[in-house]
Amino acid sequence: DAKTTQPNSMESNEEEPVHLPCNHSTISGTDYIHWYRQLPSQGPEYVIHGLTSNVNNRMASLAIAEDRKSSTLILHRATLRDAAVYYCILRDSGGGADGLTFGKGTHLIIQP
Amino acid sequence: DGGITQSPKYLFRKEGQNVTLSCEQNLNHDAMYWYRQDPGQGLRLIYYSQIVNDFQKGDIAEGYSVSREKKESFPLTVTSAQKNPTAFYLCASSPHRGQNSPLHFGNGTRLTVT
Repeated sequence: DAKTTQPNSMESNEEEPVHLPCNHSTISGTDYIHWYRQLPSQGPEYVIHGLTSNVNNRMASLAIAEDRKSSTLILHRATLRDAAVYYCILRDSGGGADGLTFGKGTHLIIQP
Repeated sequence: DGGITQSPKYLFRKEGQNVTLSCEQNLNHDAMYWYRQDPGQGLRLIYYSQIVNDFQKGDIAEGYSVSREKKESFPLTVTSAQKNPTAFYLCASSPHRGQNSPLHFGNGTRLTVT
């Protein structure tokens, strides 16, 4: 299975941009990069996903490196409600268990 | 509103008893998944189902069983054979199995076995 590496935690200030990095050096050519976030005692919430090109939606932007070995989730203007654990996942359906394998993610702390 | 409903939110059982966790979706999604989350950890896949009457084991299926008799329902039974059943259980669905298909999660059931 392809794996991702994320920092355990990051801290940012309210109303500032946040860049959450993710390394996935063993990504295969057909793996999609997905981002989810999870608030305490809740299920994860889908944020964004992409394959090769950068992606934007109402929640965030996803910047994917040209070699696809890393990506960055960008929150353009963080609010206190963005404090959560952020998971970077590679959607791998090449044999074995399907679905998404979640690591420990990055705990994002937002300071007021 | 469409979504995934897990019930109950909290569940308490005595050791040695089987317990069934409910998961219902009205999103008309084909694929459904069960995950387990332990404190401070990521999510581990228990079982998944791509279509009705079909399901596959995930990474940690031992001690669990599922059924998929209806498209909208995917109940999980935690049996007495599961050595450490106390955990946060999450159900998810996606339109189909493909890589370009995001997961939609329920808000989980927290199971405590004493």
